[in-house]
Amino acid sequence: AQSVTQLDSQVPVFEEAPVELRCNYSSSVSVYLFWYVQYPNQGLQLLLKYLSGSTLVKGINGFEAEFNKSQTSFHLRKPSVHISDTAEYFCAVSDLSGANNLFFGTGTRLTVIP
Amino acid sequence: GAGVSQSPRYKVAKRGQDVALRCDPISGHVSLFWYQQALGQGPEFLTYFQNEAQLDKSGLPSDRFFAERPEGSVSTLKIQRTQQEDSAVYLCASSLGPPGQGGNTIYFGEGSWLTVV
Repeated sequence: AQSVTQLDSQVPVFEEAPVELRCNYSSSVSVYLFWYVQYPNQGLQLLLKYLSGSTLVKGINGFEAEFNKSQTSFHLRKPSVHISDTAEYFCAVSDLSGANNLFFGTGTRLTVIP
Repeated sequence: GAGVSQSPRYKVAKRGQDVALRCDPISGHVSLFWYQQALGQGPEFLTYFQNEAQLDKSGLPSDRFFAERPEGSVSTLKIQRTQQEDSAVYLCASSLGPPGQGGNTIYFGEGSWLTVV
C-alpha cells in the first residue's frame, strides 16, 4: 500500500519569494508521483507528474518538482510566487501497476502575501 | 465536453434522505473514478469504472453507497439513507485509457458539495 505525507498544512509566503512544498511518500513498490492544485470551489488540476527518466520535472505555472528516491520525496518548488498561486496543493502517488486509484496527501494551503 | 462535468454542484440533504450525484466524463474517456474529499482532507478513492464495468469498489465506505455507469459514459453515485458523516465533496474524474498505461492523466471535475443536516 502507498501513503503520502505532506509535512506542512499551511505555508504563507510573500509575493515574489521562492517556495517549497514538501511531500514524502511510502511504498513497497515503484510509483508514479503527481502534484495537483485546487483553487477555491474548483476541482483538482494537474500541475506535474513524474513517471520515469529525469528526476527534475517541470510543470505548469512555473512549478517544478524533484524526485528523490533515496529520501522518498517529491518536493514542489517555485522560484517566485504570484498572488494567483494561492491555493491548496496535493501530492499524490500511484503504483506502477497502474492501480486504479491515486493516494493523496492531506494537502498544503499556500497563501501568497502581497 | 471540454471537461468533467458534475451535478448538482451543491446539495443539502436531510439525514436519512437518498441522494444521486451525476458525472459526465470527458467524451471518449474509458476510465472514470469517484473520490470523496472531507473538509480539510485530501481526496480518498471510492470506486473505479473501465467503460461500464465497475472494476474496483474497494473504497466505498458502506453498502449505502452505490455507483453505476450503465452505458460507459455518464456515471451516477447514489447514497442511500444519508448520514452526517457523508457530508463531503464528491469528486468525479476521468482518464483516456486504463490505469497503468504510462500514468494516464486523470482529469477532475469541480465536485458535488454534499451537506447532510
